[in-house]
Amino acid sequence: EIVLTQSPATLSLSPGERATLSCRASQSVSSYLAWFQQKPGQAPRLLIYGASNRAAAVPARFSGSGSATDFTLTISGLEPEDFAIYYCQQRSDWPYTFGQGTKLEIK
Amino acid sequence: VQLVQSGGGLVKSGGSLRLSCAASDFTFSDYYMAWIRQAPGKGLEWLSYISSDSRYTKYVDSVRGRFTISRDNARATMYLEINSVRAEDTAVYYCARLASYGSGSYADSWGQGTLVTVSS
Repeated sequence: EIVLTQSPATLSLSPGERATLSCRASQSVSSYLAWFQQKPGQAPRLLIYGASNRAAAVPARFSGSGSATDFTLTISGLEPEDFAIYYCQQRSDWPYTFGQGTKLEIK
Repeated sequence: VQLVQSGGGLVKSGGSLRLSCAASDFTFSDYYMAWIRQAPGKGLEWLSYISSDSRYTKYVDSVRGRFTISRDNARATMYLEINSVRAEDTAVYYCARLASYGSGSYADSWGQGTLVTVSS
């Protein structure tokens, strides 16, 4: 099973700042990686697929990069609605797995 | 795209239940579908997926043999049959649509989630 390790566990930033979230895979997942945003009491929302492609209706301030084992989600210019938990997920190999999440909180 | 979930609730350890996921506003029979769960206060766990024509299914080891995924394209509904429930099955269960992109298929739409609580 491919293990995804996200860092940091918690990120405290202020609105307007830039957020950089990391996801590292225990083995190569090529570009088969997605990022999801989850707010309390809500289902996850797909933000990024294929490591770097924004899903429909996702604002341009969200961007993804990386390949193989190291991936980054960048949120440039944090908006109040961006404070949430972010998960990476690989679909390179079954079972598909998620990282443990990064909580982005308001400083 | 709408995915409306039903079923779930309180079930005794060793019991069974069935979750449903009714789809609308898209051609259900064109899409693979999946079940994903989230234990209280925990992260996400991918459980299973089913192909558009039901020919292919996959299960994570922790539920294989106890959970059964199925679908009825005529009713635009997917199901998850849960048997021999255990305390560790307590979670919010989500259904999701898998949309195909050039770089594989991803869960682009999710149901609202349904809570399954296992009691002893």
